[in-house]
Amino acid sequence: GESVGLHLPTLSVQEGDNSIINCAYSNSASDYFIWYKQESGKGPQFIIDIRSNMDKRQGQRVTVLLNKTVKHLSLQIAATQPGDSAVYFCAEFVPSYGKLTFGQGTILTVHP
Amino acid sequence: DTAVSQTPKYLVTQMGNDKSIKCEQNLGHDTMYWYKQDSKKFLKIMFSYNNKELIINETVPNRFSPKSPDKAHLNLHINSLELGDSAVYFCASSLPGTGYTGELFFGEGSRLTVL
Repeated sequence: GESVGLHLPTLSVQEGDNSIINCAYSNSASDYFIWYKQESGKGPQFIIDIRSNMDKRQGQRVTVLLNKTVKHLSLQIAATQPGDSAVYFCAEFVPSYGKLTFGQGTILTVHP
Repeated sequence: DTAVSQTPKYLVTQMGNDKSIKCEQNLGHDTMYWYKQDSKKFLKIMFSYNNKELIINETVPNRFSPKSPDKAHLNLHINSLELGDSAVYFCASSLPGTGYTGELFFGEGSRLTVL
């Protein structure tokens, strides 16, 4: 299940299940949205991005959905594997700021 | 071959000391960054350089001074270290440009602990 509180949101799933990680972004002027994966002791690693004029983009085992009406972004991981266990961050790029702004991460734990 | 490498990986020091973290990238990118990740995993940009020129300077105490001797290197020097400086510092690089240029390539981080 998923929980949100004073600590980082967490999502626990069983191996083979599909995972959905959600993100609410803040700036309606953002024109790109990106998901990063950070494994323990490592730097964030790019997963997939989506431009603001799209509502869905698929990669290998991952799909990103964008709902601009409610400023919501989600990352779907199909057939989740233990190697998917990590902290997942959404990030938004606002042209006028010229930088990536990262959201709060979500801890995904995959149980074998 | 490591794309973005940072040294040291761990740094433990006393309050008031001065320390540096070094970063090098072999991706041929023109743009490099420093990000700070706090204990809650929140990632915040500190600085960005494009071809040795400072282009982003967030509200960071002036005790933090980045230096880019060439476009493949971006070092971070911190004076008069404070307890609140304890964090993991990430270097990153990307293709040049002020618009969205795709993914950032991050180093493995430098964990700074100030006692």
